[in-house]
Amino acid sequence: EAGVAQSPRYKIIEKRQSVAFWCNPISGHATLYWYQQILGQGPKLLIQFQNNGVVDDSQLPKDRFSAERLKGVDSTLKIQPAKLEDSAVYLCASSLDVPYEQYFGPGTRLTVT
Amino acid sequence: DQQVKQNSPSLSVQEGRISILNCDYTNSMFDYFLWYKKYPAEGPTFLISISSIKDKNEDGRFTVFLNKSAKHLSLHIVPSQPGDSAVYFCAASVGAGNMLTFGGGTRLMVKP
Repeated sequence: EAGVAQSPRYKIIEKRQSVAFWCNPISGHATLYWYQQILGQGPKLLIQFQNNGVVDDSQLPKDRFSAERLKGVDSTLKIQPAKLEDSAVYLCASSLDVPYEQYFGPGTRLTVT
Repeated sequence: DQQVKQNSPSLSVQEGRISILNCDYTNSMFDYFLWYKKYPAEGPTFLISISSIKDKNEDGRFTVFLNKSAKHLSLHIVPSQPGDSAVYFCAASVGAGNMLTFGGGTRLMVKP
């Protein structure tokens, strides 16, 4: 069974630029999550989708971050414009449904200079 | 306000001995707890979980203990192996499958 795929794996941008991350969950998984992991900290949930609907986006900085999950499969997370403090690893996870276990992708390491 | 805390950033253990990783939480609404293991350049991998209706859950070499009155959980690995060297995160949620709140992680090093 293929795991959660994410791209790109690494991205370096300058502050005020825009960036987008892509996630392909495990086939058949209804629930998709985006996490931000700052160095030395645990992952923090940004947004949770159930199929293509948003379940929880209470910790998403909506002034600069946006996410969508079209057709209930792939998802993109966008930052526009980026700030230095956005430097982190962005993790995507999926689960068969709630309340099943979450499977994480390898993450995208973003560096904002 | 950190609702889930792992106060030891690192732990070093000899191969074959017991590894004990600790986690404290402050939110009394949390009723589902998980441990994840993370290798460099990989995403976290689920290890073991426990519901608040239990105080112990075992899976092979891994055992999680939950002390609700102390708002404390621990992960025991016996015997520890060099391949267990990784960063371990505890996480908690209100209801299984709901939003996870993670601790900051503990780096475990198992020496051969």
